Order: sequence, then C-alpha cells, then structure tokens
Amino acid sequence: EAGVAQSPRYKIIEKRQSVAFWCNPISGHATLYWYQQILGQGPKLLIQFQNNGVVDDSQLPKDRFSAERLKGVDSTLKIQPAKLEDSAVYLCASSLVSLGRETTNYGYTFGSGTRLTVV
Amino acid sequence: GQQLNQSPQSMFIQEGEDVSMNCTSSSIFNTWLWYKQDPGEGPVLLIALYKAGELTSNGRLTAQFGITRKDSFLNISASIPSDVGIYFCAGISSNTGKLIFGQGTTLQVKP
Repeated sequence: EAGVAQSPRYKIIEKRQSVAFWCNPISGHATLYWYQQILGQGPKLLIQFQNNGVVDDSQLPKDRFSAERLKGVDSTLKIQPAKLEDSAVYLCASSLVSLGRETTNYGYTFGSGTRLTVV
Repeated sequence: GQQLNQSPQSMFIQEGEDVSMNCTSSSIFNTWLWYKQDPGEGPVLLIALYKAGELTSNGRLTAQFGITRKDSFLNISASIPSDVGIYFCAGISSNTGKLIFGQGTTLQVKP
C-alpha cells in the first residue's frame, strides 16, 4: 500500500511569512496527526483529526497555526506568520483507529516530513 | 506535563556489539512503542508492547514493557552498520490516551 505522502519536502521562508504543508494519509485511515519535531527532540503532537473532526489540538499554537481536514482525507497545516522557533520537521501520520483505543494493530504510519527553515 | 526520559542520549559502538537503551517515566503508560528514524525520514515502528511484563522480539531487536508500566527497554544484538539512526521510545498515557515521545537515542556503529 502507498504510504503517507507529504509535500513539500523542504521549505525555506523568512520570518513573518506564511507557509502551508500538505498531507495525504494512507487510504482508509480515519485518524490523522500532525507532529512537530525540533532538531534533537522527539516528535510533539500538534493536532489529531478523526475523519474531518478535531480530536485534540491542545498543543497547537492557535494564534499562528491552523489545520484542516475538510473532506476527512488529506489535510493542510498552515503557519501564519512564521517565527524563527518554528524551524522544525513537520510530520504527518495516520492510523486506522485512534491510539486511545485498545488494538493489536495500530497501522500507525509516519510520512517523511517537511523540513521548514525560518530565516 | 508527562515526560519520557530516554537514555543514553547517544551511543557509539563497534559492529557486532550488543546495544541497550531504556525509557523511564513517573507516569503510567498503557502501551510502549519503539521507533527508528533515519535521516530525512519519518519514524518507523519497530516493536509495540501492550501488557506489563511483556517481552517481544523482532529479529535482532528485543523490547520489554516494565512491570510497573513506567519503563521499557530496547536491546539490539549483534549490531550492524544499518542499525545507525535515532531510536525513539513512545508511550500512550493511561491518563490522556496521548502518544508521547522520548528525546531519542542516537546510535552510531563503527564497521
């Protein structure tokens, strides 16, 4: 099966500019996640979607970050305006079910990420 | 907030040696996952652990879910150059249901 697709792979912008990332999850995966991974750290969850609804966005800086999954399939993450500290890899992941449930097969797959550099 | 303390932060070993890394927390987790991340790629799941005390193997990898549900370890036997990468532990919190990642262990293998 095809994996989680993300684009672009790399993006360099100046501070205060806007940027958008795109993610197409594995077909049939209801749950989609956006993670931020700063260099030298583990991924940190920004937002979780179940179909087209937001399940958890408690760690999303809502003053500048927004995300949508209008048709319950692909998703976009936007930053407006960007700050220097937003430089990171933005990872998208998808799974069949929410990780809050008991399951023996998470089917939880990450994309290759978008590396954002804010200068 | 909840944190996973992963150690060591980095390791530099000779090919053929065994490797051990671990993850601890003050909080209880329902599930422990171990991931490997290669440069420029997303994390790839290596092993998933679902029950306290569970010991699971995947080839040369072995991982255990601690009895207290607050820790886990990953062992790699007879390391090879392609084992190079960053290994992350991740746990699903029993309180929040969220997946939380450790800081990662960078492994380098000298041929």
